[in-house]
Amino acid sequence: NAGVTQTPKFRVLKTGQSMTLLCAQDMNHEYMYWYRQDPGMGLRLIHYSVGEGTTAKGEVPDGYNVSRLKKQNFLLGLESAAPSQTSVYFCASRLTGGEQYFGPGTRLTVT
Amino acid sequence: AQSVTQLGSHVSVSEGALVLLRCNYSSSVPPYLFWYVQYPNQGLQLLLKYTTGATLVKGINGFEAEFKKSETSFHLTKPSAHMSDAAEYFCAVSASGGYQKVTFGTGTKLQVIP
Repeated sequence: NAGVTQTPKFRVLKTGQSMTLLCAQDMNHEYMYWYRQDPGMGLRLIHYSVGEGTTAKGEVPDGYNVSRLKKQNFLLGLESAAPSQTSVYFCASRLTGGEQYFGPGTRLTVT
Repeated sequence: AQSVTQLGSHVSVSEGALVLLRCNYSSSVPPYLFWYVQYPNQGLQLLLKYTTGATLVKGINGFEAEFKKSETSFHLTKPSAHMSDAAEYFCAVSASGGYQKVTFGTGTKLQVIP
């Protein structure tokens, strides 16, 4: 039981490049979330999903897109990376009303 | 709507002293409340949670928190700090029922002085 995994762990992008972050969970959780963490700002919700095939915007969705084609996977895409997207990205999953289980994070630098 | 306020972005305590990290929340419906801990370069892990029932909840590593509805607070305490408690702590709230967004506070970094 691996819990929540994220790939890649580190990435450096140039401004304007695109990439996809993959989150996978093996706990059969319905709900999945993408957060970004920046110093002094806590975790801010980018997008979330309440089930396979559904997604919704969080607090800071601009510049990101997501897809949940399979229940166990939640993908976060950056179509045209900007330096403001330099951050640590965390994926989480949860059952209804329960606590969230977090992945180890992806550290992204955009130059 | 829901929100979380953590008072004090940095807290320093001596080893063996009481740890008190403050969290106040707002929620338009009965809340679920959580405390998470994050060690450097790691993800968040659950310390404890309140959903329903007993308002004093005990978590891992000797931490506990008390849900006080009248004060809209969920402060985290530990009687005696240990060096290994040095980390960043996040309070979070979600609404009970079907609304599944989770809102986090901005975090409190705990420093333990030997």
